[in-house]
Order: sequence, then C-alpha cells, then structure tokens
Amino acid sequence: AQKVTQAQTEISVVEKEDVTLDCVYETRDTTYYLFWYKQPPSGELVFLIRRNSFDEQNEISGRYSWNFQKSTSSFNFTITASQVVDSAVYFCALSEVGDSSYKLIFGSGTRLLVRP
Amino acid sequence: GAGVSQSPSNKVTEKGKDVELRCDPISGHTALYWYRQSLGQGLEFLIYFQGNSAPDKSGLPSDRFSAERTGGSVSTLTIQRTQQEDSAVYLCASSSSGGSTYNEQFFGPGTRLTVL
Repeated sequence: AQKVTQAQTEISVVEKEDVTLDCVYETRDTTYYLFWYKQPPSGELVFLIRRNSFDEQNEISGRYSWNFQKSTSSFNFTITASQVVDSAVYFCALSEVGDSSYKLIFGSGTRLLVRP
Repeated sequence: GAGVSQSPSNKVTEKGKDVELRCDPISGHTALYWYRQSLGQGLEFLIYFQGNSAPDKSGLPSDRFSAERTGGSVSTLTIQRTQQEDSAVYLCASSSSGGSTYNEQFFGPGTRLTVL
C-alpha cells in the first residue's frame, strides 16, 4: 500500500540555520511522482516541487534543495539559511501513475518554526 | 487569472444538520479533487472527478458524504447529518486533465467546517 511518512512533527531553528525535513515513502508502483507543499499560517497549500520516479537528480532552487534517493525511498527537503518567512507546515506527497486519478497521498506534515 | 475558489470560507453548524460546500475550479480544468485536512487524520483524499467519467469516491469516509459536479465545472460536497468528527478544513483542487500524465493540482483556500 502507498504511504508517506514524515517522522518529524515539529522542528524549531534559529534564523540562518540550515534545516532538513525528512520524507520516506512506500509504493508498489515503479512510476510515481513526489511533491513538497508549503502551508503557511494563511492555510493555502503552496506547491514547491514535483519529481518523477525516473529522475533522481537533486534539485536546487534558491535556498531550497531536494535530495531524492530511490534506494532508501526518501525525498528530503533542505532549507539553507532559514528565514522567519519559512515558518510553515511542510507536506510531502506521493502520486502513483498506476492510479488514474493521480490523487495525492500526503504525509502528516512537519511544522517548521524559524525563530529570529 | 482566477484560481480555485471555495465557499463559504468558514461554516459553523450544529450536529445533525446538513451542509454544502462549494468549489469553483480554474476555468478549463477538467479534473477536480476534494481533500480533507483534520487534526486526527491529516490531509486525506475524498473524491475525484474527471470530465464525464464516473467519479473516484474511494476516499469518502461514510455514506453521509456525497459530491457532485455539474456541467463539468462547479462541484458541491454535501455532508448529511454532520458529526463533530467532520470538523475539518475541506480543500478543493483542480488540474488541467487526468489521463496518462500528471498535471499539477492547484488548491483553493479551503472551507473550515466546525460542527458543534
């Protein structure tokens, strides 16, 4: 069965620290997509990144970077030099190509608090 | 352009009453999803509509929940005889199509339902 695990419930860091949010997934599909979403206090889900299962290249976007490792079924997210505005709940999600709806299966989220 | 809109933004109801939640997807998007975000269950899929195909109702938690999509556009999620455990934020998302490729889901701001 498909599952996404975010073991870190809450992380607190001081501004400018680097922080890594962990995500481990389970799926029987060989083709799937992985995502990270940000949910700021306003509540709206903000899309950050999508990776497909055939592309294990790490990606960097500004202060954000993602490490996808199929061997360990992990898709971790690192924020470099964190800022107060990064405070939010972050969700990792999985979508299986074998499921024609492409519904998103979410992890339980990690609440990140960046203190000034 | 306009994003996904949902109404009402907040709904307070008494246990046992019926409620209707509305979602207006992005114009031209043929796929529409409902998700629920609650304290106990996290973010979970409820139902998926794609064009004129039969909806994927696999995530609906009970037969008190139903949804329809009229004219391939606006969708209404109905909860009958509401219970306190139905209290949650109900999120709607739309995407440009389903089929053999993934298309990004754009989320609305959600409706916060409180059942007293």
